[in-house]
Amino acid sequence: QKEVEQDPGPLSVPEGAIVSLNCTYSNSAFQYFMWYRQYSRKGPELLMYTYSSGNKEDGRFTAQVDKSSKYISLFIRDSQPSDSATYLCAMTDILTGGGNKLTFGTGTQLKVEL
Amino acid sequence: DSGVTQTPKHLITATGQRVTLRCSPRSGDLSVYWYQQSLDQGLQFLIQYYNGEERAKGNILERFSAQQFPDLHSELNLSSLELGDSALYFCASSGDRAGVGLDTQYFGPGTRLTVL
Repeated sequence: QKEVEQDPGPLSVPEGAIVSLNCTYSNSAFQYFMWYRQYSRKGPELLMYTYSSGNKEDGRFTAQVDKSSKYISLFIRDSQPSDSATYLCAMTDILTGGGNKLTFGTGTQLKVEL
Repeated sequence: DSGVTQTPKHLITATGQRVTLRCSPRSGDLSVYWYQQSLDQGLQFLIQYYNGEERAKGNILERFSAQQFPDLHSELNLSSLELGDSALYFCASSGDRAGVGLDTQYFGPGTRLTVL
């Protein structure tokens, strides 16, 4: 079983819809949670970064973390065609001696249609 | 543009060969990370260097090795290549000035490796 599970999609929604993307994880040592967006043939870019359980909002994006359920979500409001990309959740803990190893979900492919 | 550069963009080679992928981190970033992205495994952490020293290691094969040079650029060496090594290889860098991790990782555009 993978440490991080993410529905691969593809997910197709109409423009303006609210999108919900989710990941579950099994490693309770994970403390820091991120969402990356990856356009086709590009490197991942960081969208949201959060530590504590609860919600964090940034513009049209809201990241939600529930550590008790080991479940994280990313909500996109008023989705736009430019949001069409693959969304990757990532998480990490503090490694003994330092270091920062990100563990990624497999990514959800999102398409926002006009 | 993340400020992380990777060369080459594409690499096509044959099984059994050896290749070197190069990464230049963002100006001032001390940490460099290497990741492999394949269709079946997703994005997987390989190795991290901090200011020239290995800091963290993931599922990196023994046929693969990396180093970070005094000018902070890094190279990932892949040898005895197999068909299954075909993937996108990403480099990321972060400020991480205390060396304890958690600074944002900025990803380069990747090198697409095809092994025939």
